[in-house]
Amino acid sequence: AQSVTQLDSQVPVFEEAPVELRCNYSSSVSVYLFWYVQYPNQGLQLLLKYLSGSTLVKGINGFEAEFNKSQTSFHLRKPSVHISDTAEYFCAVRGSNDYKLSFGAGTTVTVRA
Amino acid sequence: GAGVSQSPRYKVAKRGQDVALRCDPISGHVSLFWYQQALGQGPEFLTYFQNEAQLDKSGLPSDRFFAERPEGSVSTLKIQRTQQEDSAVYLCASSLGLEDEQYFGPGTRLTVT
Repeated sequence: AQSVTQLDSQVPVFEEAPVELRCNYSSSVSVYLFWYVQYPNQGLQLLLKYLSGSTLVKGINGFEAEFNKSQTSFHLRKPSVHISDTAEYFCAVRGSNDYKLSFGAGTTVTVRA
Repeated sequence: GAGVSQSPRYKVAKRGQDVALRCDPISGHVSLFWYQQALGQGPEFLTYFQNEAQLDKSGLPSDRFFAERPEGSVSTLKIQRTQQEDSAVYLCASSLGLEDEQYFGPGTRLTVT
């Protein structure tokens, strides 16, 4: 089984500042990793995913994440946030031979002008 | 349709009532998943369908929860004799195949009073 820990429950940030959302996972098998964003009253939208290959993954809306196997981490970053990035962000993991996604508890990002 | 749709978006039930939550997946998507998202938590897997076959119901919290997808398209999650602890957002997701990207609907927020 896999589990995910998102280390920050809330991250306030000023507009145009950088942001990093931390995610650590545990698993006894090889994994695929995902970041989803949830805007108010909407479903989860995939931001980016790591399946294999380059450990630096670029996603939509200027986000990127780096897979670090030795530290079992998959932190999400954006160099300059916008007000519209205010949302909840979920890190998720699944085994490479599995279909069930295991999610972290989420990080609420609030971007202020 | 353009995406996964769910209805109703909000449901208030008195304790002990039965409820039925509907999910319309993306046309042609073989795989369908249900997740439960409690307040302040990430989604947790409930059950999985491949076409009309329910291949995994290991996440259903009790025998009061029942899901079906009789024609391999629309799915219904039914909760009998609702309890307060059933209050949550119920998310549906569909994917083309088992290991493809899961597309999420907006969810149904169930409140049991």
